[in-house]
Amino acid sequence: KNQVEQSPQSLIILEGKNCTLQCNYTVSPFSNLRWYKQDTGRGPVSLTIMTFSENTKSNGRYTATLDADTKQSSLHITASQLSDSASYICVVSDESGGYNKLIFGAGTRLAVHP
Amino acid sequence: SQTIHQWPATLVQPVGSPLSLECTVEGTSNPNLYWYRQAAGRGLQLLFYSVGIGQISSEVPQNLSASRPQDRQFILSSKKLLLSDSGFYLCAWSVRRVAGAEAFFGQGTRLTVV
Repeated sequence: KNQVEQSPQSLIILEGKNCTLQCNYTVSPFSNLRWYKQDTGRGPVSLTIMTFSENTKSNGRYTATLDADTKQSSLHITASQLSDSASYICVVSDESGGYNKLIFGAGTRLAVHP
Repeated sequence: SQTIHQWPATLVQPVGSPLSLECTVEGTSNPNLYWYRQAAGRGLQLLFYSVGIGQISSEVPQNLSASRPQDRQFILSSKKLLLSDSGFYLCAWSVRRVAGAEAFFGQGTRLTVV
């Protein structure tokens, strides 16, 4: 069964600190891996998209890594800000069917405290 | 620029009542359209996707149906709601047949069936 597993389930850090979120997947076929940020009660917003040939991609203070061999990805957040408090969702895309079949992880809920 | 509209933002409906959620996209043509549902503490689950007018595919058996009467309009419906239909419903769109295409989400509808 295609699955996307994320850890930790929740995380609390102090403002200014760094953190790393983990994602393991068993989705096949695999087209690309995405990280989304979702504020409570809102739709997800894309942070990064990586194909299997990309090892790392950055978007400001967010840096995602991908190891397609071990099927693992991580999202590193540097110098956290209060506005980073949200759920971070790992999403694997299977586009073999001609459309974006997005398989979502359950997310990591991050709380940044002052 | 492209925008996606989804309404209503919140909805409380009694068991057995009908449902109609509407989603429209502006600023693009021939998009792929999607309906997702997010249960509490769970990842988003794809309910329906559409690659064209009148073309609807379902990912999971359920009490819901979808229709695409116009190119940029996607409707989620039910004839009789169940308690288990409660959840956060998200509409999304992506550019058709573009590898790694970004998926853009609406703001979601919080449905509570009582």
